[in-house]
Amino acid sequence: AQSVTQPDIHITVSEGASLELRCNYSYGATPYLFWYVQSPGQGLQLLLKYFSGDTLVQGIKGFEAEFKRSQSSFNLRKPSVHWSDAAEYFCAVDSGGGADGLTFGKGTHLIIQP
Amino acid sequence: DTGVSQDPRHKITKRGQNVTFRCDPISEHNRLYWYRQTLGQGPEFLTYFQNEAQLEKSRLLSDRFSAERPKGSFSTLEIQRTEQGDSAMYLCASSLAGGPHTQYFGPGTRLTVL
Repeated sequence: AQSVTQPDIHITVSEGASLELRCNYSYGATPYLFWYVQSPGQGLQLLLKYFSGDTLVQGIKGFEAEFKRSQSSFNLRKPSVHWSDAAEYFCAVDSGGGADGLTFGKGTHLIIQP
Repeated sequence: DTGVSQDPRHKITKRGQNVTFRCDPISEHNRLYWYRQTLGQGPEFLTYFQNEAQLEKSRLLSDRFSAERPKGSFSTLEIQRTEQGDSAMYLCASSLAGGPHTQYFGPGTRLTVL
């Protein structure tokens, strides 16, 4: 069965600094990969996704992620964070074309320092 | 596109009572998913429908849980004889069918079992 690991439970970043959130997955074939963001008490909003093609994908709000097959990773980056980026970030994998739902990591809580 | 909606947003109930949640997907989406999210965890897949057919159920979905999508539009998730361990956020998502597609999430229903 597939699994997703987000090794950092909490990350604190100063406003204006760069950000990288780590995600590693375990799956035999090429997975379909997603990053979602969740504000307190809210549902999940899609930031970006990777299905195939260019391994560097751009998303909303200035986020990007890079798929590295050799490292089984799909790390999320942003060059300069804003206070409004404070939220919970989830990496997810779809290994069944949607038929088995998404498998999520446990999330990374992002704190922005002024 | 009005997005995925869920009702109610919050539900407080006493142990042993039955509760029912509703999800209205994006209108052209024929796949509908239910997830459960407990505090500090990522969402966990419960079940999914393609049109009115329930095609997959997680082992997390005990026999106290039942889901329906009678006309292939909205869906309901019922929990019978609620237990304190059922306290969680219940998230609904929808997508197109036929391969990997983005799942769009609703705001969730927060269930508290006293």
